[in-house]
Amino acid sequence: QFVLSQSPSASASLGASVNLSCTLSSGHSGYSVAWLQQRPQKGPRFVMRVTGYGRHSRGDGISDRFSGFNSGAERFLIISSLQSEDEADYYCQAWGAGRRVFGGGTRLTVL
Amino acid sequence: EVQLLESGGGLVQPGGSLRLSCAASGFSFSDYGMNWVRQAPGKGLEWVSYVDSSSITTYYGDSVTGRFTISRDNAKNSLFLQMNSLRDEDTGVFYCTRESRHLDGGGMDVWGQGTTVIVSS
Repeated sequence: QFVLSQSPSASASLGASVNLSCTLSSGHSGYSVAWLQQRPQKGPRFVMRVTGYGRHSRGDGISDRFSGFNSGAERFLIISSLQSEDEADYYCQAWGAGRRVFGGGTRLTVL
Repeated sequence: EVQLLESGGGLVQPGGSLRLSCAASGFSFSDYGMNWVRQAPGKGLEWVSYVDSSSITTYYGDSVTGRFTISRDNAKNSLFLQMNSLRDEDTGVFYCTRESRHLDGGGMDVWGQGTTVIVSS
């Protein structure tokens, strides 16, 4: 079964950095994921794509404070120099034959 | 400007039907696969359905298979979702999304603002 696992919550201080993780289920460790940001009362927005082979790409207009990293079955979204506007829910999303999958989301609190 | 604009949401009784529409603009709609994604109140995102650029291939999530039908009209830059046999648990915000054609693969890179469906008696 194709499943993406995320921690329900994360927090970090204003100006600090935070790593959000997304773990691909067994048998799917080579897949790429997309990271999405959903601010309160807003629709989701594409942030970046994190591949399993080290090539990562940001969406149009996304700050370079957002970067990606992969390690084994994990796909990370790294946010540096945290700002209050980064407080949001972050979802990872993957795609495969016949299916698209979302992680459960991580709620990021900026302290 | 690349834009997706959903419409057609509303209040419907259990067992009823509803048809959602999504108007695309600012890009070559006929070149892209498209999805519907929903979000129940206070919950996460759930993929509903996908259609490829030429309507040859469609996929559905397990919870909607046999009840929902995705379609598109490339001449009118429009995406649709016909929803039948609606249940209380179908309540939520429905988003239209574009599937990326990036060199490094997919991901939903454009999202609409959503349309709200409420299934209740």
